Amino acid sequence: DQQVKQNSPSLSVQEGRISILNCDYTNSMFDYFLWYKKYPAEGPTFLISISSIKDKNEDGRFTVFLNKSAKHLSLHIVPSQPGDSAVYFCAATYTGANSKLTFGKGITLSVRP
Amino acid sequence: NAGVTQTPKFQVLKTGQSMTLQCAQDMNHEYMSWYRQDPGMGLRLIHYSVGAGITDQGEVPNGYNVSRSTTEDFPLRLLSAAPSQTSVYFCASRGTSVGTQYFGPGTRLLVL
Repeated sequence: DQQVKQNSPSLSVQEGRISILNCDYTNSMFDYFLWYKKYPAEGPTFLISISSIKDKNEDGRFTVFLNKSAKHLSLHIVPSQPGDSAVYFCAATYTGANSKLTFGKGITLSVRP
Repeated sequence: NAGVTQTPKFQVLKTGQSMTLQCAQDMNHEYMSWYRQDPGMGLRLIHYSVGAGITDQGEVPNGYNVSRSTTEDFPLRLLSAAPSQTSVYFCASRGTSVGTQYFGPGTRLLVL
């Protein structure tokens, strides 16, 4: 049973436009959410996170929104750049989980010049 | 800064062979984990450790062993390799920040 779902396997956007990557979760215990970015042949790198006590967290061009009632979060990238082309993983954990992360399947973002 | 290092980068094994994937970190992190990434499956947790001498199973532990004799090292052992273990393996560590983990570059394993 998949607890973190990224239902869209890919997304293509024009450079300069907004990219919106979605993620849904089913486990109500999750209280901390993260986004990782992965380039081919490299390990995932941490991008941005959000605690369940917040509904928004912003870091430069990246903003994560959390809707707890809908068990949904989204990553907004504005403006999108060709260097943002990568696989984006949504991950979740909870207090007491000993840092165990549950990952979604990932979304491949392509930013067209 | 070395961060999290993994060796080897690529390995080919025959079914039934054993091997150890090495992982080391120089950030004095207590928490370390092993994940595997398969196409269409995301990253799945194999084993993790909350400190030297303490390990526990993750989501997909069968066929793998781990040990944590030092803070720095967290090797993953395949006892008898099977084609189903063909995957990319990532080691990760984290410090005090909840959830945020730093990943190594990965080991690509092919089992024939």
